[in-house]
Amino acid sequence: DAGVTQSPTHLIKTRGQHVTLRCSPISGHKSVSWYQQVLGQGPQFIFQYYEKEERGRGNFPDRFSARQFPNYSSELNVNALLLGDSALYLCASSIVKGIDEQFFGPGTRLTVL
Amino acid sequence: RKEVEQDPGPFNVPEGATVAFNCTYSNSASQSFFWYRQDCRKEPKLLMSVYSSGNEDGRFTAQLNRASQYISLLIRDSKLSDSATYLCVVSLGAGNMLTFGGGTRLMVKP
Repeated sequence: DAGVTQSPTHLIKTRGQHVTLRCSPISGHKSVSWYQQVLGQGPQFIFQYYEKEERGRGNFPDRFSARQFPNYSSELNVNALLLGDSALYLCASSIVKGIDEQFFGPGTRLTVL
Repeated sequence: RKEVEQDPGPFNVPEGATVAFNCTYSNSASQSFFWYRQDCRKEPKLLMSVYSSGNEDGRFTAQLNRASQYISLLIRDSKLSDSATYLCVVSLGAGNMLTFGGGTRLMVKP
């Protein structure tokens, strides 16, 4: 079975630009969460979506937004990129009901110059 | 204060050694506890869940002390392949966001 997939794998942008990251969850998983991992730190929670509705939001500015589609895939959008947005962006999917485990995709490595 | 705190290491140990990692968490409402493993430039992968009664999976033993809000991971007979960053993770329960510690880096040397 395919795991969580993310695209693109790597991305280079300049300050002020906009970026869209994509995630496809494991088949049958209805929840998608996004995390940002800056080099040398643990992942930080950005958003969670379940059944196309936002269920949680971390401490990130409004430049960060996301959505979930009817097929449960998800997009993370970041506007007005800053140098500090350079990080590994991880998507995780889960069944949610009664199951704790979240399965992570390989991530998108974003570099902002 | 960070919600989940870990010693960043690195822990440099010889093959065959026993090594222990500790972690503390600040939210007493936390219900679920995990150790994830992350290899360099890869995604985190679940190593094991941590239960109040303690649990063991081969060479790995995890323990939870809810009163002290403390989680531990013990690795026995370390292998070269155990070299990675170990992330302590808590959540408020199924369906909730994961809160990660900063990770503890382990390097096992021949």
